[in-house]
Amino acid sequence: GQQVMQIPQYQHVQEGEDFTTYCNSSTTLSNIQWYKQRPGGHPVFLIQLVKSGEVKKQKRLTFQFGEAKKNSSLHITATQTTDVGTYFCAGNDYKLSFGAGTTVTVRA
Amino acid sequence: DVKVTQSSRYLVKRTGEKVFLECVQDMDHENMFWYRQDPGLGLRLIYFSYDVKMKEKGDIPEGYSVSREKKERFSLILESASTNQTSMYLCASNKGPTDTQYFGPGTRLTVL
Repeated sequence: GQQVMQIPQYQHVQEGEDFTTYCNSSTTLSNIQWYKQRPGGHPVFLIQLVKSGEVKKQKRLTFQFGEAKKNSSLHITATQTTDVGTYFCAGNDYKLSFGAGTTVTVRA
Repeated sequence: DVKVTQSSRYLVKRTGEKVFLECVQDMDHENMFWYRQDPGLGLRLIYFSYDVKMKEKGDIPEGYSVSREKKERFSLILESASTNQTSMYLCASNKGPTDTQYFGPGTRLTVL
């Protein structure tokens, strides 16, 4: 069955630095979604990527969908304390499968 | 705004008890989902429903059942709770199968 792997599991970042989290699927995806879960909260939708090679930006967040539609990345520039939380990718094949998430902590 | 509500934020039950977790959405969504979230394992799908009285097993259905008698309500049932079912349970809904999922606030269940 479809599996979505996400790395790294934890990311400790100095405030102001950049980092990237990666998502890989064992199968070709129809689309991929990214969610953010703040500490104590629930996952909230960030963005959906549909096209091969697609790149979308939301302020300091850049999302990319791979050419083969089997991987994706989230790059955050100039990390702020508001970026703390767990970021999940979710691959859509015939159903949505979530990665294990990358939990981000920020050192001020 | 889409609203997904869950009956309890925190719940403590004893081993062997029957547990009901309720989820209600107010956006007339066709699809509803139950996940459990555990550290390092992400969100794992327990069951989902694409219509009233319809249900499909997810990745980890063992020990759980569900009920969807009305479109807006999806219940997760633990017939005989066990300690390994201690977890955060999240309900979600969406309109179409590839659409954004909207999550409820979660129920943190502790089974003693």
